[in-house]
Amino acid sequence: DADVTQTPRNRITKTGKRIMLECSQTKGHDRMYWYRQDPGLGLRLIYYSFDVKDINKGEISDGYSVSRQAQAKFSLSLESAIPNQTALYFCATQSSLGNTEAFFGQGTRLTVV
Amino acid sequence: EDQVTQSPEALRLQEGESSSLNCSYTVSGLRGLFWYRQDPGKGPEFLFTLYSAGEEKEKERLKATLTKKESFLHITAPKPEDSATYLCAVLGSGYSTLTFGKGTMLLVSP
Repeated sequence: DADVTQTPRNRITKTGKRIMLECSQTKGHDRMYWYRQDPGLGLRLIYYSFDVKDINKGEISDGYSVSRQAQAKFSLSLESAIPNQTALYFCATQSSLGNTEAFFGQGTRLTVV
Repeated sequence: EDQVTQSPEALRLQEGESSSLNCSYTVSGLRGLFWYRQDPGKGPEFLFTLYSAGEEKEKERLKATLTKKESFLHITAPKPEDSATYLCAVLGSGYSTLTFGKGTMLLVSP
C-alpha cells in the first residue's frame, strides 16, 4: 500500500460545483502539503499544515480551502470549481525535522468543464 | 525569495550517451537541495538530498553534486527507462517549504 494515498485519482466536475480531494498518510509525518502542477508552471504550493492545529496559505490559495482532520488526513476543497482549476493535484508529507525529503502521493487529475 | 532554475527544459539522448542536468538556485541559507524523478501522470519520486557544497550522492546511473550556486544531476550511460522529468527543489533558512524548479524532461532513445 502507498504511504501517501490520494482519492479520487481522477475526477471530472462541472463549473460551480464543490469538490473535495482527500489525502491520507501512513508515514506518521506531522507536515502535509497540497500542490498543483500545470504544464510549464511546475509544482506550486496551495496550502500546508505543520500539525493538526496549523494551516498556512501557500503561493496560490485563492479559490481553495483545506481541512486537517487528523495527523494522517489533509483535505483540499474547491468551493466553486472553475475551468482554470483543471490541473494535476498532489499531496505530500514531510517529517517535522523539516529539512528532509517530502513524499508525494500519486496525484489527482481534476478536470473542470 | 528562494528561486530555482533548471536547464535545459528538455533533453534528448541516445542510449549510452552521458550528460548532465543543471539546477541553479538562489537561497538565503541552504538547508537542503532535493532531486526528484517524475513519470508522466505520477507523483514525484525522491532521489537525493544534498546539504552542503562539495557533497555528492550516487544511485545506479545517477550522480548528484552540489556547489554554492548550483547542483548537477549526472546521468551515465542512460537507458530508455531513465526517461522522465527530473525536478530540483531547495529549502532555505528563510522559508519553511520547498521551492521547486520547473523540471527537465529527459527522453532516452534506444
